[in-house]
Amino acid sequence: SQQGEEDPQALSIQEGENATMNCSYKTSINNLQWYRQNSGRGLVHLILIRSNEREKHSGRLRVTLDTSKKSSSLLITASRAADTASYFCATDFQGAQKLVFGQGTRLTINP
Amino acid sequence: KAGVTQTPRYLIKTRGQQVTLSCSPISGHRSVSWYQQTPGQGLQFLFEYFSETQRNKGNFPGRFSGRQFSNSRSEMNVSTLELGDSALYLCASSLSEGARGIQYFGAGTRLSVL
Repeated sequence: SQQGEEDPQALSIQEGENATMNCSYKTSINNLQWYRQNSGRGLVHLILIRSNEREKHSGRLRVTLDTSKKSSSLLITASRAADTASYFCATDFQGAQKLVFGQGTRLTINP
Repeated sequence: KAGVTQTPRYLIKTRGQQVTLSCSPISGHRSVSWYQQTPGQGLQFLFEYFSETQRNKGNFPGRFSGRQFSNSRSEMNVSTLELGDSALYLCASSLSEGARGIQYFGAGTRLSVL
């Protein structure tokens, strides 16, 4: 499957700590995106990183991309209870004409 | 600017029935994609419509169909419902064709098939 695989499947940390989620994929990509989904709701776009970029920041979010290892990571710094959600990576495989979503990481921030 | 609107939010149907879901994209967005989300299979791409034409289709049976109107609003239809069709159906709109750019999602329609 070309689907991105995320690690870990679930992560539980204390408020204020940093959270790191990883995404691996199998074939060359044009870009990789991260989305957040609160329980049973729609997904919200967080960051898009292109294949020629190595790192992007948005507020407390930092995304890295290593195309040689076919992997990406999402770091959330100084976590808050409101960050509790599922996080998905989505890859735009070359020639695929669609996004392929990973299974997601369920992040729980404990107060 | 209003976001993506999906109706209805919840549906309960029985096996064998058919269902139609509706999606209104963000104004100006001409691409509408549909996804099925289940705990077991995750988020699966169903199809994408751009300028009233289906541009791409996922690996789903012909019971799943869709269409897009001239105002970019889209409908998805599932005929002869099966228990396994119970899922959250998400619609997303995008500025660019190909369902590869940033996707703006609606809140979803939760379909339960009994």
